[in-house]
Amino acid sequence: QVQLQESGPGLVKPSQTLSLTCSVSGGSISGGYYYWTWIRQHPGQGLEWIGYIDDTGRTYYNTSLKSRITISVDTSKNHFSLTLTSVTAADTAIYYCARASEIYPGSGMPHLFDPWGQGTLVTVSS
Amino acid sequence: QSALTQPASVSGSPGQSITISCTGTSNNIGGYDLVSWYQHYPRTAPKLVISEVTKRPSGISHRFSGSKSGNTASLTISGLQVEDEAYYYCCSYAGRSSVVFGGGTKLTVL
Repeated sequence: QVQLQESGPGLVKPSQTLSLTCSVSGGSISGGYYYWTWIRQHPGQGLEWIGYIDDTGRTYYNTSLKSRITISVDTSKNHFSLTLTSVTAADTAIYYCARASEIYPGSGMPHLFDPWGQGTLVTVSS
Repeated sequence: QSALTQPASVSGSPGQSITISCTGTSNNIGGYDLVSWYQHYPRTAPKLVISEVTKRPSGISHRFSGSKSGNTASLTISGLQVEDEAYYYCCSYAGRSSVVFGGGTKLTVL
C-alpha cells in the first residue's frame, strides 16, 4: 500500500524560498503512469491544485503559480519535491502531496488523487 | 483556474440523506466525466470516495453515490452516520492536464 509523507520547514520568512519533500513508501515513484502532485489549502479555505510531475519528468503547473514553482523528482530517494520562491503571507497553507491517476494510461488526463499525505502546515512570517 | 462552487455547509440527522452540489463550467465539470469527491477530516489525509462522477473505490460504503447534470456534479450520502461528519471536496479535470477543486462543504450530522 503506497503511503506519502510530507516534510519540510514549518516556518518560512517572507521573500524566501519554501521547499518541501514528499517521501513515497510502499511502492516505486518510477513508472506506473502516475502524476506526483502538490495541493495546498489556505486557512479556512478550499483546496488548490499546485501542480504535478509525471513519470517522464514532465511538469504541469497551476498558471497562477507557474512563475514561482518547481516540482522535481528524485527516483533514487523515491521522493518528489516542491520549491516555491518569493513567498508571502498568502502562501501560508497546509501543503499536501498526493498521487494522481490518469483516466487510462498515457491519456495525459490525470483526474483523481489517491493516496494523499497528511499534510504539513507552512507559515510564512518574519 | 477558478474554483468549483460548493455550499459552505450542509447538515442532516442520522439516517437521513443529504446531497452536496458542485458547480463548475463547460470547461471542467460540463466537459468531462472526470469528477471526484474527497472526504476530509481535519489534520488527516483526504480520502477519495467517488471517482469519474459515479464510481466508488473499493472499501467505500454504498451509501456514497455521485451524479452529474450539465455543469453541476453532486455527492449524495444516504443513511447518514455520525462518522460521516467531515469536509467534502469536489474536483474536476479542467483540460490541458489540469484540475480544479471546490471550496469544500462541511457536513454536520445533527
